[in-house]
Amino acid sequence: LAKTTQPISMDSYEGQEVNITCSHNNIATNDYITWYQQFPSQGPRFIIQGYKTKVTNEVASLFIPADRKSSTLSLPRVSLSDTAVYYCLVGGGRDDKIIFGKGTRLHILP
Amino acid sequence: GAVVSQHPSWVICKSGTSVKIECRSLDFQATTMFWYRQFPKQSLMLMATSNEGSKATYEQGVEKDKFLINHASLTLSTLTVTSAHPEDSSFYICSALRQDYEQYFGPGTRLTVT
Repeated sequence: LAKTTQPISMDSYEGQEVNITCSHNNIATNDYITWYQQFPSQGPRFIIQGYKTKVTNEVASLFIPADRKSSTLSLPRVSLSDTAVYYCLVGGGRDDKIIFGKGTRLHILP
Repeated sequence: GAVVSQHPSWVICKSGTSVKIECRSLDFQATTMFWYRQFPKQSLMLMATSNEGSKATYEQGVEKDKFLINHASLTLSTLTVTSAHPEDSSFYICSALRQDYEQYFGPGTRLTVT
């Protein structure tokens, strides 16, 4: 299982775009990159998943460079409700257990 | 999206008693479920992998006799904390693996042992 490294915390303001970068230098060929969001006293919520290049859904974009050793979660126009912990996870997605890193505590300011 | 429920959402019990937490996949079958524990301000820690019809696989350092896991059906896994002590107080979260290999997390169960 590839280890991930993320910033411990980030602050931003409402309406800004927030980019959270995750390093995963020893990612394996069949590993996917998945991001989860967690609010206090709730289970993690799936945000986005990708393998390479760029993936976009209704809430976020995920940018993955060609070497796949890092990835960037992009949250457009954040609001106060985006204050949460964001986890970057790397795994095969094929009955692989998910090991959580420390995550990034994102704090959105008014 | 797929839904995973946990019951109860919170529980308070006395030291020395046992507590059972249920994890259900409501709209899909899950041969594999996972149990996590999370202490305040910390990340989720994987405790064990629950497989339907077979014994659970525990992570290193997790006492299998204390945290009993039973995956009774394709939609239900239970975690029983036996002889609970205050240090077992934590937030317990399960996840279920769908057939397309996407994992869905339950809302968590807050356990307080007094």
